[in-house]
Amino acid sequence: EVQLVESGGGLVQPGGSLRLSCAASGFTFSSYSMHWVRQAPGKGLEYVSAISSNGRSTYYGNSVKGRFTISRDNSKNTLYLQMGSLRAEDMAVYYCAREDAGRELLYWGQGTLVTVSS
Amino acid sequence: DIQMTQSPSTLSASVGDRVTITCRASQSIGSWLAWYQQKPGKAPKLLIYKASSLESGVPSRFSGSGSGTEFTLTISSLQPDDFATYYCQQYSYYYTFGQGTKLEIK
Repeated sequence: EVQLVESGGGLVQPGGSLRLSCAASGFTFSSYSMHWVRQAPGKGLEYVSAISSNGRSTYYGNSVKGRFTISRDNSKNTLYLQMGSLRAEDMAVYYCAREDAGRELLYWGQGTLVTVSS
Repeated sequence: DIQMTQSPSTLSASVGDRVTITCRASQSIGSWLAWYQQKPGKAPKLLIYKASSLESGVPSRFSGSGSGTEFTLTISSLQPDDFATYYCQQYSYYYTFGQGTKLEIK
């Protein structure tokens, strides 16, 4: 069974940093591109970032480009999102997701909440 | 970037109704479109991929159609479990979500 478990969320001050993790199991992690999607309270889904299966290719949405860094450790079956220069508008539930063969996002974690507040 | 526009933003309907949600892309995305269902406090669930392919385990009352820039999600006969928020997503060039359609009980 595919499982994605996010962790690392919490309260951080504006301008601060936080690292999210997503522990994967039930599939060959190193074979799949992975993604981060977020959802601000009461708002819609926003695509954040992606990383290729070998980690060599990354993509960032415009709202996080230059502030967030996606990475992965295939030996630990773990996906990361390093978030810096955090703003109030970054406050959201962050989901990690795995794409299926056709690149649609089939598997999702339960999400981890990031709160940005002083 | 490719923009995705869903309509309506909110839809009120009754059990047994047939409902349709529309999604428009700012440029052609072929058939690289997915539909997701999300319930409060839960992660999104994939319903439809490649515009019209039903994900395994999803009831057949859900269907998708369209290509290029115009797409629709249809629920043929609403069930109580279907009241949720629905999102389209393009994956022709990276990924973009529509703003969502909240399906409410009339």
